[in-house]
Amino acid sequence: EPEVTQTPSHQVTQMGQEVILRCVPISNHLYFYWYRQILGQKVEFLVSFYNNEISEKSEIFDDQFSVERPDGSNFTLKIRSTKLEDSAMYFCASILTSGGANEQFFGPGTRLTVL
Amino acid sequence: AQRVTQPEKLLSVFKGAPVELKCNYSYSGSPELFWYVQYSRQRLQLLLRHISRESIKGFTADLNKGETSFHLKKPFAQEEDSAMYYCALKHLPPGLSGTSYGKLTFGQGTILTVHP
Repeated sequence: EPEVTQTPSHQVTQMGQEVILRCVPISNHLYFYWYRQILGQKVEFLVSFYNNEISEKSEIFDDQFSVERPDGSNFTLKIRSTKLEDSAMYFCASILTSGGANEQFFGPGTRLTVL
Repeated sequence: AQRVTQPEKLLSVFKGAPVELKCNYSYSGSPELFWYVQYSRQRLQLLLRHISRESIKGFTADLNKGETSFHLKKPFAQEEDSAMYYCALKHLPPGLSGTSYGKLTFGQGTILTVHP
């Protein structure tokens, strides 16, 4: 069964450094998402992406964040200058179509630790 | 504002006992609601969705619009049900009835522990 994959599983970085989190959505899916979960808190929506552009973004997704689909398979989340409060689990998700109650498939997550 | 509330952070039951995980929501439109489950060291996966009215692994959930609830129930809990459970609401952008960009709003999650 196809799955969403994410790399790396754990990323440790110094405050102020740039990080790129990578995701490979399910191959025929069209809509892509990033969510994050700070330890002990709820899963929060960051951004949705369709047709090579951002569909929607949350307040968290400020100009330090960007997303890209550089080729036909990868979907990346870049944080330009990491802050301590960016430490969280980051989940990528994809869905075939946006309509109705279609299931979002989630990746296993990347744990980002900012020191 | 859209909100999903799971009032219980932790829930413990014994094997064979009934279990109910509570979920309440606040949403101005017509909601689409889901339950996701995360077993230890595994990814979030869909358990069930209200629109299909299905029963998965013995779990059911009924959307009660009057009470704005979508509680998850199972009559006889099993040890393998121990996991984190998230209630989630899918958003519909205004003016786009029947389609959505699919953003999910999650509740805080409930850790269910089923003791032998």
